[in-house]
Amino acid sequence: QKEVEQNSGPLSVPEGAIASLNCTYSDRGSQSFFWYRQYSGKSPELIMFIYSNGDKEDGRFTAQLNKASQYVSLLIRDSQPSDSATYLCAAPRVDTGNQFYFGTGTSLTVIP
Amino acid sequence: NAGVTQTPKFQVLKTGQSMTLQCAQDMNHNSMYWYRQDPGMGLRLIYYSASEGTTDKGEVPNGYNVSRLNKREFSLRLESAAPSQTSVYFCASSIRGRASQEQYFGPGTRLTVT
Repeated sequence: QKEVEQNSGPLSVPEGAIASLNCTYSDRGSQSFFWYRQYSGKSPELIMFIYSNGDKEDGRFTAQLNKASQYVSLLIRDSQPSDSATYLCAAPRVDTGNQFYFGTGTSLTVIP
Repeated sequence: NAGVTQTPKFQVLKTGQSMTLQCAQDMNHNSMYWYRQDPGMGLRLIYYSASEGTTDKGEVPNGYNVSRLNKREFSLRLESAAPSQTSVYFCASSIRGRASQEQYFGPGTRLTVT
C-alpha cells in the first residue's frame, strides 16, 4: 500500500460545478496534509494545507480532513476552465518530518 | 526575487555520460530537496538537505549524488546516466526542515537519457 493514494482520474466536470478530489493515507500518525496544483508542463504550487479534522475554506477551495477514516479531500466550487490541472495530495513522513510523500495526482478537466 | 531557479531546463544525455543539475533559491530557506517526477509515479524524493552542511537520502537515491554548496545552492549529479533516469527533475525549498512548511518548487529540468 502506498503511503498516499489518489484516484488518478481523469475527472471531468462542467464549468460552475463542484469538483471533488480525494486522497487516502496509510500512516495514522500523519498530522498535516497539503494540496498542490500542477499545470501541464509546470511545477507544483501549493493551494491548501490542513492540520485539523474538519473543513478549511479558502475562496472557492475547501479542504476536508477525516483522521479517523484517514481521508483528505479537496472541493473546488464554481469550477472554472483555469482549474484544469493535476492536483497532488502530499503528507509528511511521520518519522523523519523532513520528507513528503506525494500521491500520483488526479487530473481535472473543467469543460466550458 | 526569483524564488527557486534550476538549470538547465532541458538536457539530452547518452548512456554513461555525467551531468550536474543546478538549483538555487533566494528566499533564505534552510531546507532544499530534489525530486523526480515520472508518469504514474508522482513526485519521488531523491535527496534532501535539511540545513546547510547536511544531506540525506530520500526514497530513490541510487545513481545520484548531491552537494549543498551553501545555503542558496543545492546541486544534483548523475555520474553515469542510465535510460531509467529519464525524468523531470524538480528542486524545491522550504523555510526549515519541518513537515509543516510549504515547499516552493523550481521550474524543473526535463532530462532524456538515450
